[in-house]
Amino acid sequence: DAKTTQPPSMDCAEGRAANLPCNHSTISGNEYVYWYRQIHSQGPQYIIHGLKNNETNEMASLIITEDRKSSTLILPHATLRDTAVYYCIVPLSGNTPLVFGKGTRLSVIA
Amino acid sequence: EPEVTQTPSHQVTQMGQEVILRCVPISNHLYFYWYRQILGQKVEFLVSFYNNEISEKSEIFDDQFSVERPDGSNFTLKIRSTKLEDSAMYFCASSDTGWRTSLDQPQHFGDGTRLSIL
Repeated sequence: DAKTTQPPSMDCAEGRAANLPCNHSTISGNEYVYWYRQIHSQGPQYIIHGLKNNETNEMASLIITEDRKSSTLILPHATLRDTAVYYCIVPLSGNTPLVFGKGTRLSVIA
Repeated sequence: EPEVTQTPSHQVTQMGQEVILRCVPISNHLYFYWYRQILGQKVEFLVSFYNNEISEKSEIFDDQFSVERPDGSNFTLKIRSTKLEDSAMYFCASSDTGWRTSLDQPQHFGDGTRLSIL
């Protein structure tokens, strides 16, 4: 798996966009970037994934730089329920084991 | 939306006893996984299962652990003789990766079973 680096924590005001960065400078050409989050001690929740094009779904947007060495997860209007630990993961392929780091602890503040 | 379900939500067991954790993966998924998370630590991979056999396992998954898909819907993790250090949250996951789909299908997780060994 490509190693990923994320800031340990971030704060975001409720209603504002939360931009969570991730560095994955050793990513190879066919490896996808996946984002998960874990709210309290619930199971990790899949958010979004992408290869090189920007992606958007009902939960978030994923912006991947042209050189693919970094990406940003965007929660467009953060709510208190988005408070969680967010993980950026680059596995060898979709069915290989996910390696969870420490992630970014996002605190959404009222 | 389809989801992975796990039972029980909390299991308390005496040390040395056998325990079986149960999971119902998403119905059309082909890959199945178990992960665990010791309190305050990272989520760790245990084992993956595909086509009725283990496809990959970690060093944690020793001879005390086994997995089974006893029927078309359930996926179980058995710990033969539990130890205090087996106390953790155990998460089941499944993915739709296979010959029918692209290789980038994400894994979807259940909400876990909290296993407490006394």
